[in-house]
Amino acid sequence: DGGITQSPKYLFRKEGQNVTLSCEQNLNHDAMYWYRQDPGQGLRLIYYSQIVNDFQKGDIAEGYSVSREKKESFPLTVTSAQKNPTAFYLCASKDKGNYGYTFGSGTRLTVV
Amino acid sequence: AQSVSQHNHHVILSEAASLELGCNYSYGGTVNLFWYVQYPGQHLQLLLKYFSGDPLVKGIKGFEAEFIKSKFSFNLRKPSVQWSDTAEYFCAVIFTGGGNKLTFGTGTQLKVEL
Repeated sequence: DGGITQSPKYLFRKEGQNVTLSCEQNLNHDAMYWYRQDPGQGLRLIYYSQIVNDFQKGDIAEGYSVSREKKESFPLTVTSAQKNPTAFYLCASKDKGNYGYTFGSGTRLTVV
Repeated sequence: AQSVSQHNHHVILSEAASLELGCNYSYGGTVNLFWYVQYPGQHLQLLLKYFSGDPLVKGIKGFEAEFIKSKFSFNLRKPSVQWSDTAEYFCAVIFTGGGNKLTFGTGTQLKVEL
């Protein structure tokens, strides 16, 4: 079955530590996206990548970093510079000629 | 800046009541419009989408939405809700020329009571 796998589902980290969230897709989609979901704020775009080895900042990129070394993978690093990292993170992908997005099941990050 | 607004943050309805959730966007150009639903503990799922053509769009589970260009709106409707429609609903827009990024509204939490 084709889809997006986000791991882990739940993640706990101590304040001041960097943490990397995994996102893998086997849909052969060109574009991949990271969103952050907070109650009452909807989904906000962190970073996106339309092709391998290229990515752009979204609306709330500060404190985050990404890489896109392979088409299938788009990991997100939440750095210690992110002031409020506790949130639900969603990864998505999209085919070039199709506006349909596929979403992963998300990772809930809690920083204590 | 381009934005998407959902004015109803929490809606409570009884079963069989009619539903209308508002969605407005700010952009004068061409848009692609979507409604997504997130059931408790589940993935985001696409309910319906509008790219062009008939402005009345029918989606899954009896939902429909109407694109009114003059009002920059894409309201979601369902004639008779069920308890199983309890979920969070998100309106989302792709503003053409913006890298095909989906911009989401803040969401509407719908609770349907028996």
